[in-house]
Amino acid sequence: SQTIHQWPATLVQPVGSPLSLECTVEGTSNPNLYWYRQAAGRGLQLLFYSVGIGQISSEVPQNLSASRPQDRQFILSSKKLLLSDSGFYLCACGAGGASGGDTQYFGPGTRLTVL
Amino acid sequence: DAKTTQPTSMDCAEGRAANLPCNHSTISGNEYVYWYRQIHSQGPQYIIHGLKNNETNEMASLIITEDRKSSTLILPHATLRDTAVYYCIKRSGSARQLTFGSGTQLTVLP
Repeated sequence: SQTIHQWPATLVQPVGSPLSLECTVEGTSNPNLYWYRQAAGRGLQLLFYSVGIGQISSEVPQNLSASRPQDRQFILSSKKLLLSDSGFYLCACGAGGASGGDTQYFGPGTRLTVL
Repeated sequence: DAKTTQPTSMDCAEGRAANLPCNHSTISGNEYVYWYRQIHSQGPQYIIHGLKNNETNEMASLIITEDRKSSTLILPHATLRDTAVYYCIKRSGSARQLTFGSGTQLTVLP
């Protein structure tokens, strides 16, 4: 079964600073990868998903970007953080393939606080 | 698209079965029922999913009514580590987004 790693676990950043969150997956090949944000009282928001290297789909226009430089690596970035970017960022992994509906397994998450 | 309805909270004695209900009366024919749980400050954990038939795995059993308008997640022998928020979601076979509602806070009591 797959294992999902995320780091850092917690992060406190000033407004206007850059961001880089990393997600790596073990135990599977060619997975679908997802970035979600979970804000307090707002449930899960899908930010980006990727079905392969270099293939990124954005679900919500925002201050963030994503990249997938390797098959099992997914990176979430920002050039300038906003206060509203605070939240719990979750990477998820699903069975590969272009279609959706795959069962998604989540990593441990990164708690980001922007001050 | 109405979400699912779950009780806000439930208690269960350690060692007993925990039965968590979920109402999804507006479910479509191509929508699956998924269950996840989330322990405070951790990522959600997948439990089980089903379409029409009852399902069982090493974690839990999922009982779906014949009309598919409701389901019950059963943890056969609850432990203190099962204390978490349990989310029941419906999701089509092609959907990417997982939409969690408010969920049920299950507290397993010693």
